[in-house]
Amino acid sequence: SQTIHQWPATLVQPVGSPLSLECTVEGTSNPNLYWYRQAAGRGLQLLFYSVGIGQISSEVPQNLSASRPQDRQFILSSKKLLLSDSGFYLCAWSQDSEQFFGPGTRLTVL
Amino acid sequence: RKEVEQDPGPFNVPEGATVAFNCTYSNSASQSFFWYRQDCRKEPKLLMSVYSSGNEDGRFTAQLNRASQYISLLIRDSKLSDSATYLCVVTLSGGYQKVTFGIGTKLQVIP
Repeated sequence: SQTIHQWPATLVQPVGSPLSLECTVEGTSNPNLYWYRQAAGRGLQLLFYSVGIGQISSEVPQNLSASRPQDRQFILSSKKLLLSDSGFYLCAWSQDSEQFFGPGTRLTVL
Repeated sequence: RKEVEQDPGPFNVPEGATVAFNCTYSNSASQSFFWYRQDCRKEPKLLMSVYSSGNEDGRFTAQLNRASQYISLLIRDSKLSDSATYLCVVTLSGGYQKVTFGIGTKLQVIP
């Protein structure tokens, strides 16, 4: 069966510091991968999606970036965090229409 | 107009009650529809897919009305454990599945 991992589970970072969140998927090959952010009291916002290694599409202009160095690895990064980057970051995978989420990373920027 | 609209609630219902949520979507070309459940501070989890013919899973029934562009979720005999936020999800296939989530409807089942 497929599983999706994210780490770290929680993170507290100062404004201006860099960020790297990692997501890996097991038990499937060539999945579509997604990064979402859920701010407090708000819906899920799609940040990036990837249909294959090295293929990244951005949905929202921001100071974040994403990379897919391997088929089942998806990384979310920032060079300098903003206060507004605080939120719950969720990685998801899909092969058909359903999406399956990882446990998420709760990021607080102070 | 938002692509997917839901009443955020909260819906406070007593145990054993029947509760229904609706969700409307704006793109008539949307192809796949789902309900997800999200517990507090957890990731969303797929609850059920939604088909034009309607589908039922135990106490949960989902319906799709393409003509009016809305989907619904009915929960019968509510349990305390049903308390969660229910997300409506609409998918449009293209180069990848463009997935749009509603803001979610919060349900609180009261003893």
